[in-house]
Amino acid sequence: DTAVSQTPKYLVTQMGNDKSIKCEQNLGHDTMYWYKQDSKKFLKIMFSYNNKELIINETVPNRFSPKSPDKAHLNLHINSLELGDSAVYFCASSQLRLAGGTGELFFGEGSRLTVL
Amino acid sequence: KQEVTQIPAALSVPEGENLVLNCSFTDSAIYNLQWFRQDPGKGLTSLLLIQSSQREQTSGRLNASLDKSSGRSTLYIAASQPGDSATYLCAAYTGGFKTIFGAGTRLFVKA
Repeated sequence: DTAVSQTPKYLVTQMGNDKSIKCEQNLGHDTMYWYKQDSKKFLKIMFSYNNKELIINETVPNRFSPKSPDKAHLNLHINSLELGDSAVYFCASSQLRLAGGTGELFFGEGSRLTVL
Repeated sequence: KQEVTQIPAALSVPEGENLVLNCSFTDSAIYNLQWFRQDPGKGLTSLLLIQSSQREQTSGRLNASLDKSSGRSTLYIAASQPGDSATYLCAAYTGGFKTIFGAGTRLFVKA
């Protein structure tokens, strides 16, 4: 039973299109994240959500709009896709120590986005 | 601002060798440090989590240490195997709902 699952695993699309990636965690965590891994494999945080509320937006263009309908889900919608958006997007979740957890991060398998 | 650096960027060793991967961080006020493994085209698998109050954690052939005062963590892999070939990432959490990752060490273990 997958702890953090994201779909789709692969997206190939044209510049200017809009796409969404969905993420679900069944760990009961309060906090969820989106990370971007670029072509050099460097992982950088994009957004953090805690109890469905946006906590961190790391200067991500407003073409990226995350939405958390409930604590178990965090989706990412991207408008007007650009070539530079091609990357692997990872969803993750954790339960911070101040919320009674260990702070351990759990990651999904990633969604590879290719913009042509 | 927290920065995490991993040295070396890549490492190739013969099977059976013991090895150490290094991770350094600039802000010693961390809550925890986590080591991950990433296989090509795959997600991140958590290997070890060290809380700020701990000095080390062990899992099988893996041992991770944490020295907050010097801003360093090491991942020790004993008796390396070809199946250990992967990229190893360390990540530091200093609060604020943001974990900062190093660029990783690509490990290749030759049979």
